[in-house]
Amino acid sequence: EPEVTQTPSHQVTQMGQEVILRCVPISNHLYFYWYRQILGQKVEFLVSFYNNEISEKSEIFDDQFSVERPDGSNFTLKIRSTKLEDSAMYFCASNVEQIGNQPQHFGDGTRLSIL
Amino acid sequence: AQSVTQPDIHITVSEGASLELRCNYSYGATPYLFWYVQSPGQGLQLLLKYFSGDTLVQGIKGFEAEFKRSQSSFNLRKPSVHWSDAAEYFCAVAFFKAAGNKLTFGGGTRVLVKP
Repeated sequence: EPEVTQTPSHQVTQMGQEVILRCVPISNHLYFYWYRQILGQKVEFLVSFYNNEISEKSEIFDDQFSVERPDGSNFTLKIRSTKLEDSAMYFCASNVEQIGNQPQHFGDGTRLSIL
Repeated sequence: AQSVTQPDIHITVSEGASLELRCNYSYGATPYLFWYVQSPGQGLQLLLKYFSGDTLVQGIKGFEAEFKRSQSSFNLRKPSVHWSDAAEYFCAVAFFKAAGNKLTFGGGTRVLVKP
């Protein structure tokens, strides 16, 4: 069964540095998402992306965050200047069409640790 | 405000015993409803989903869930748990939108299975 793949599985970064988290969604999927889960807390929506633009974003997704689909297969999340509070597990998800027909498929996540 | 509540943070159950995990949501209309499971160090795996129709839905790994509109609930059940069911379980909801649909998650219930 096709999977959403995320790299790296664990990223350690100094505070203030830029970090890029990478995702390869399932190949025929059209809708892409990032979520994060701070340790011990619930999974939170960050952003959704469709047709090469952001379709919705949460208040967490401020100017420090950006997303890109650079080459038709990868879907990246960039944090420009990381803060300690960005430490979390970041999940990428995708689905083929509106959720009424297909649920979101999640990757295994990237654990981001900010020092 | 829209919200999803999982009242039980932890549940301990003996192997072979039945399991029920509670989920309540607060929305203006009936959302799409999901249960995901997260094993340690892994991503979110879809157990089952409810979109419409029969209010008792069957999922993978022997799980089922029942949607009760009058109670705004979508409780997850399994008649006989296995040690491999030890994990964290998340209830999630979404609404249909034209360009992607964010999932809103509950806080999760961690299930421990005693031998």
